[in-house]
Amino acid sequence: GIQVEQSPPDLILQEGANSTLRCNFSDSVNNLQWFHQNPWGQLINLFYIPSGTKQNGRLSATTVATERYSLLYISSSQTTDSGVYFCAVEVAGGADGLTFGKGTHLIIQP
Amino acid sequence: EAGVTQSPTHLIKTRGQQATLRCSPISGHTSVYWYQQALGLGLQFLLWYDEGEERNRGNFPPRFSGRQFPNYSSELNVNALELEDSALYLCASSLGSYSNQPQHFGDGTRLSIL
Repeated sequence: GIQVEQSPPDLILQEGANSTLRCNFSDSVNNLQWFHQNPWGQLINLFYIPSGTKQNGRLSATTVATERYSLLYISSSQTTDSGVYFCAVEVAGGADGLTFGKGTHLIIQP
Repeated sequence: EAGVTQSPTHLIKTRGQQATLRCSPISGHTSVYWYQQALGLGLQFLLWYDEGEERNRGNFPPRFSGRQFPNYSSELNVNALELEDSALYLCASSLGSYSNQPQHFGDGTRLSIL
């Protein structure tokens, strides 16, 4: 099956800092999503971005499908940004659902 | 518009018992997916239902089963519970199996096996 690798696994930053999270995947995909899982376990949709660039406030994402990677940018970090960020991909047809990476655990310190 | 809803929020069972988890998709969504997030194992695909049929399952034993009802809501049943079944179970819905649409997740059911 498809492999999804996220880096870095852990990231500790001060409030106000910027960060870049990376997701590499091993095959062509027709769906790529970024999620933020908060301490209560809720999985919050950030972006649906199989290709191209999107922005939502302080967050933006870019997927280069031909090179099989995606980047999530967080600017001016706030303590509420803390949590685990997951990249998930789906191959054509969606028969195997989303395949998740292991996540990046982000801690924003005040 | 209501999101994906799951019940119960928490469920405590003992080994050997059966658990039933429920999921209501977003209105208009026909596909329902189930995922397991166990400690140390990450998020893993469990089952996929679309238009009332089981379309695919992940690498889980047959004691994990479920169904999708005519209103597209879904149940996940876990029989003969084992300690390793303790996990957060997440349900997601999407517009359809081949529509290249994002999956939207519920808040999950936390299943604890004593």
